Amino acid sequence: DADVTQTPRNRITKTGKRIMLECSQTKGHDRMYWYRQDPGLGLRLIYYSFDVKDINKGEISDGYSVSRQAQAKFSLSLESAIPNQTALYFCATSNDEKLFFGSGTQLSVL
Amino acid sequence: SQKIEQNSEALNIQEGKTATLTCNYTNYSPAYLQWYRQDPGRGPVFLLLIRENEKEKRKERLKVTFDTTLKQSLFHITASQPADSATYLCALDIIDSGTYKYIFGTGTRLKVLA
Repeated sequence: DADVTQTPRNRITKTGKRIMLECSQTKGHDRMYWYRQDPGLGLRLIYYSFDVKDINKGEISDGYSVSRQAQAKFSLSLESAIPNQTALYFCATSNDEKLFFGSGTQLSVL
Repeated sequence: SQKIEQNSEALNIQEGKTATLTCNYTNYSPAYLQWYRQDPGRGPVFLLLIRENEKEKRKERLKVTFDTTLKQSLFHITASQPADSATYLCALDIIDSGTYKYIFGTGTRLKVLA
């Protein structure tokens, strides 16, 4: 089983819809991250959390929100999806140094 | 502005040769720098970490150098193989508002030709 699991793997939605991407981990790490990846722009940090009570905005948090339901779960929400949020989204965990990534969620907003 | 630069053009090399990828950064003072490999449709996978007080780190066919004066890291794959074909990302840890977080370069796509 994967250590960092993201669901769904693929999602197609329409503009204005609310979408939730979920991430769970079995690595026991306190730190969790959400990134999006766009061609030519690389990985950009959306939100990060260092424990259940600690949530921080990354460089591109506008239009997104997160919830850290437990140490193992960190979900990302798009309250009202727009086409420029079409991207590959990655969840990651950290042991204070290296990052462990999930397999990603490809989101398309039409 | 602060940024991390990797060669956005793909690097094609012949099997058996040494591939060298470059990561340059400006206006950061990272405690360490990391390299990741990413295959199409997959998440990045950690390869190597080098600290600011280390000049070089090796792991099997991989070697990383870190020059904090030049603000540059070089990533070498010796005796390259077609299976090494992937995108390679560098990442810095930075302190922002008192907390550590990671920022990534855009990656360099490597293709090893048989």
